[in-house]
Amino acid sequence: DTEVTQTPKHLVMGMTNKKSLKCEQHMGHRAMYWYKQKAKKPPELMFVYSYEKLSINESVPSRFSPECPNSSLLNLHLHALQPEDSALYLCASSQGWGSNYGYTFGSGTRLTVV
Amino acid sequence: GDSVTQMEGPVTLSEEAFLTINCTYTATGYPSLFWYVQYPGEGLQLLLKATKADDKGSNKGFEATYRKETTSFHLEKGSVQVSDSAVYFCALTPTNFGNEKLTFGTGTRLTIIP
Repeated sequence: DTEVTQTPKHLVMGMTNKKSLKCEQHMGHRAMYWYKQKAKKPPELMFVYSYEKLSINESVPSRFSPECPNSSLLNLHLHALQPEDSALYLCASSQGWGSNYGYTFGSGTRLTVV
Repeated sequence: GDSVTQMEGPVTLSEEAFLTINCTYTATGYPSLFWYVQYPGEGLQLLLKATKADDKGSNKGFEATYRKETTSFHLEKGSVQVSDSAVYFCALTPTNFGNEKLTFGTGTRLTIIP
């Protein structure tokens, strides 16, 4: 298995809703990442988990809450989002934090906040 | 800090044309360099990589050579196809321990016309 699987592929949520994005990999990678990508822009790093511990939080608002239940799973809990949070949310993994082997990305969750 | 500069797009070429997308970088030490490709509506895929000076990465007919003297990693393909239409991101990870963040360029949108 050489994939990163993200669910759901599309999500529409209201500003008062609570939802979660899920990411799963079975490649034995020990680093996992959340990125946010706005249209026609490069991905922006949000969070890094290394060996299931949060290593990097790029000053992300608290309405985004990451969780790494085990080495294969990564969640992003969403609460009280704003319309400007609408974007493509990408999960990625790598053999290690900053691996020079490159990252494997999922196909993303396209989030619309209404 | 580390940065990646890509040629501005969009780039439009006819099928079977020669492709060059320029990428230069600023980083201390010897970063690892990558090209990622994003097809419409999808996540990012690692296209090729190079981890040391004079290395050539290649995949699917694309090539890029790590040139430390010019701090460049230009992407080339001898004969493009319609299926190569996508957004291409140049990226790097530094080698200084503790700051291995993947840094992206702004992306170059490529459209191939039949």
